[in-house]
Amino acid sequence: EVQLVESGGGLVQPGGSLRLSCAASGFTFSSYEMNWVRQAPGKGLEWVSYISSSGSTIYYADSVKGRFTISRDNAKNSLYLQMNSLRAEDTAVYYCARGDSGSYQFDYWGQGTLVTVSS
Amino acid sequence: SYELTQPPSVSVSPGQTARITCSGDALPKQYAYWYQQKPGQAPVLVIYKDSERPSGIPERFSGSSSGTTVTLTISGVQAEDEADYYCQSADSSGTLYWVFGGGTKLTVL
Repeated sequence: EVQLVESGGGLVQPGGSLRLSCAASGFTFSSYEMNWVRQAPGKGLEWVSYISSSGSTIYYADSVKGRFTISRDNAKNSLYLQMNSLRAEDTAVYYCARGDSGSYQFDYWGQGTLVTVSS
Repeated sequence: SYELTQPPSVSVSPGQTARITCSGDALPKQYAYWYQQKPGQAPVLVIYKDSERPSGIPERFSGSSSGTTVTLTISGVQAEDEADYYCQSADSSGTLYWVFGGGTKLTVL
């Protein structure tokens, strides 16, 4: 069974940093592209970042470019999101989502971790 | 930037057919995907590549595409189908990025 479990969320002050993790199991992690998708309270879904299976190709949404860094450790079956210079508008539930090479779908999602940016 | 447009809400009675549309200029060139999200839960993929249904998704869920509009159809709506539904696609014309529609709240009356 595919499982994605996010951790690392919490309350952080504006301008602060946070590192999210996503532990994957039930599939060959190193063979799959991965993404972070977020959802602000009461709002819709917003794609945040993508990383290829090897980690060699990375994309970011304009809203986080230059502030967030996606990475992965295939030996540890883990995905990460380093978030710096956090703003109030980054407050959201952050989901890790598995991608599918050859299409642009997110076929499995974690339960999410809440990040709150507030003073 | 590329946008996908959905109606904010759709209401149907149990047993009727619900249709949720999603419009976007790039949809003739890129597949669309649909997700169901119930309160407090993560999204679930219900349709991929415009009209394919993942294993485990009931047959009452179907998808179609025509020009710049894709449609999610739920036949014989059940109370458990009440949820938010999001369409999603991708823009590969420049730097690749993924885009979601604003979401449609399906209410089962």
